Amino acid sequence: KAGVTQTPRYLIKTRGQQVTLSCSPISGHRSVSWYQQTPGQGLQFLFEYFSETQRNKGNFPGRFSGRQFSNSRSEMNVSTLELGDSALYLCASMRYTGTDTQYFGPGTRLTVL
Amino acid sequence: QKEVEQNSGPLSVPEGAIASLNCTYSDRGSQSFFWYRQYSGKSPELIMSIYSNGDKEDGRFTAQLNKASQYVSLLIRDSQPSDSATYLCAVNIGGTNAGKSTFGDGTTLTVKP
Repeated sequence: KAGVTQTPRYLIKTRGQQVTLSCSPISGHRSVSWYQQTPGQGLQFLFEYFSETQRNKGNFPGRFSGRQFSNSRSEMNVSTLELGDSALYLCASMRYTGTDTQYFGPGTRLTVL
Repeated sequence: QKEVEQNSGPLSVPEGAIASLNCTYSDRGSQSFFWYRQYSGKSPELIMSIYSNGDKEDGRFTAQLNKASQYVSLLIRDSQPSDSATYLCAVNIGGTNAGKSTFGDGTTLTVKP
């Protein structure tokens, strides 16, 4: 079974631009979560989508948004990029049975100049 | 106090030794506990999940959970140089929040040949 895929793998943007990242979950997985990983803050939860609805949200500003499509694929958007948004953005999928395990994709490395 | 705390590293052990990684958490409602391994520049890879008090063994890895003490640990027996990585402890309260995990900062393990 194919794992979680994320595109693009690397991105370079400048301050003020916006960016969209994509995640395709493992087949049959209905939950997609997004995390931001930085050296200073570690791995932090952004949001989770389940059945096209945002089910959980972390403590990030409104510039960070996402959505999920009917095929469970998810996109994450960051508007008005700041230097501090430079990070590894990880997507994790889960089948969802209440005590499920999340499986991570390879991540998208975003650099904001 | 951080929600999930891991023993500060780095941790260095000789090849063949037992490596012990510890994690404490603050939310008594936590139901699901995970250990991930992350190699430099890569995404987290699941090693173990544990949900009930006690020990859970998988090959050279043993996870231990004590909910009363809010403590979870990972033992790696017969450590190999390939085990050198950062180990992340993750916790969530399950149910509809199963997609929202809280991670510790990680412990970096080096296994010396």
